[in-house]
Amino acid sequence: NAGVTQTPKFQVLKTGQSMTLQCAQDMNHNSMYWYRQDPGMGLRLIYYSASEGTTDKGEVPNGYNVSRLNKREFSLRLESAAPSQTSVYFCASSGRGLNTEAFFGQGTRLTVV
Amino acid sequence: DQQVKQNSPSLSVQEGRISILNCDYTNSMFDYFLWYKKYPAEGPTFLISISSIKDKNEDGRFTVFLNKSAKHLSLHIVPSQPGDSAVYFCAASRYDDKIIFGKGTRLHILP
Repeated sequence: NAGVTQTPKFQVLKTGQSMTLQCAQDMNHNSMYWYRQDPGMGLRLIYYSASEGTTDKGEVPNGYNVSRLNKREFSLRLESAAPSQTSVYFCASSGRGLNTEAFFGQGTRLTVV
Repeated sequence: DQQVKQNSPSLSVQEGRISILNCDYTNSMFDYFLWYKKYPAEGPTFLISISSIKDKNEDGRFTVFLNKSAKHLSLHIVPSQPGDSAVYFCAASRYDDKIIFGKGTRLHILP
C-alpha cells in the first residue's frame, strides 16, 4: 500500500536554485496539502488543494508555488530557494466530507545553503 | 494568528501512568479535531479524532475529550508505554476545509 509518496527524500540546494517536490497519492482523495515542519513551529500549511484544478494559500505560502496536476499529484515548487526554506516538507491527502483524516507522506528534508 | 495551540512543548511521564496532552483552539467554526503522532524521520500518523457533536471518543489506550465551551481538547493515554514517546500534534478543521495543526508536544515516557 503506497498511500502518499513524496520524492525526493533528501535534497541540498544552493541559494537561488529552483526545484520541485513531487507528491502522489493512490487513495482517490480529493484534498491534498503541503506542510513544512520546523523546530518549535509545528506543521505549518503552505498550500492546500481541495480538488483537481483548485489551490489555496495556507499560512506560509511566500516563496512557493503549487500545481495540482491531476487528482493524484500535487507538486510544490521553489523558484529561487532561500536558506529560510530549509525545512522538512510533508505532503498529505484526505477525502472529502465528514470526519476524514489526512494521510501523510514520509517527508522531504530540504537544506538550502 | 495561531488557531490551534499546544502550549506545552514537552511532557515527561512515568511508564504505566497517565499522559495528558492539551490543546486549545480559537476558531469556533472548527467541527472536527484530530490527534497525530510523529516519530523522528517519519511522517505524522493519525491517532484518534473527535467530532464536535461528541465530547469523548475512546480507542484502546487513547481517549480524546472535547470541551466546546472552553475551546479545549485533551488526549489521554493510559497506561503510557515506552513506544508512546513521540511528538503529538493536535489539529482541527471545518467541514470539507483544510486541516490546521498546532506546534506539537514532545512526550517522553520515562522507564
